[in-house]
Amino acid sequence: AQSVAQPEDQVNVAEGNPLTVKCTYSVSGNPYLFWYVQYPNRGLQFLLKYITGDNLVKGSYGFEAEFNKSQTSFHLKKPSALVSDSALYFCAVRELGTYKYIFGTGTRLKVLA
Amino acid sequence: DGGITQSPKYLFRKEGQNVTLSCEQNLNHDAMYWYRQDPGQGLRLIYYSQIVNDFQKGDIAEGYSVSREKKESFPLTVTSAQKNPTAFYLCASLTSGSLTGELFFGEGSRLTVL
Repeated sequence: AQSVAQPEDQVNVAEGNPLTVKCTYSVSGNPYLFWYVQYPNRGLQFLLKYITGDNLVKGSYGFEAEFNKSQTSFHLKKPSALVSDSALYFCAVRELGTYKYIFGTGTRLKVLA
Repeated sequence: DGGITQSPKYLFRKEGQNVTLSCEQNLNHDAMYWYRQDPGQGLRLIYYSQIVNDFQKGDIAEGYSVSREKKESFPLTVTSAQKNPTAFYLCASLTSGSLTGELFFGEGSRLTVL
């Protein structure tokens, strides 16, 4: 079965420092990978996706993610964190050959002023 | 503006009652989804529909039912058979008919069983 894992329940980072939110995947074949952000009591907002091509994907709000096939990872990064980046982040993978999207358990990011 | 409207935003239900959550989209998207969110468990797929008059069970379909009579609408009924229905429910649609699209989410409905 295809899946994604987010090994950290929470990540704390100081404002202005770089941030990384980790995601690893388990799929057969080439994965379609996604990152979403959720603010309290709101729906999820799409940040970026990897389908094919360049391993470094740039997305909304200054976020980027690096696809690493050998490590089966798709970590979300930002060079300089803002307090307003504090939210819940989800990694997701599309199950190959289907319309199903499988989500990780989420990582809460806290950016400290 | 195009988007997904979920209603009601908050809903309280007594045990043993069925309740229907509404999801309407004006994005002209073919595929629609229902997810359940619980703290620490992420999002779990309940049902999805690729096209009108067709839908498939997700990973936690027991105790839920759906219909897809119109492209714009994908209501979810939480039945009395669902043992632990208190949760945050999210509806989404797929931005592209291709295999590379991303999901677009509504603002969610929070169901509390008293």
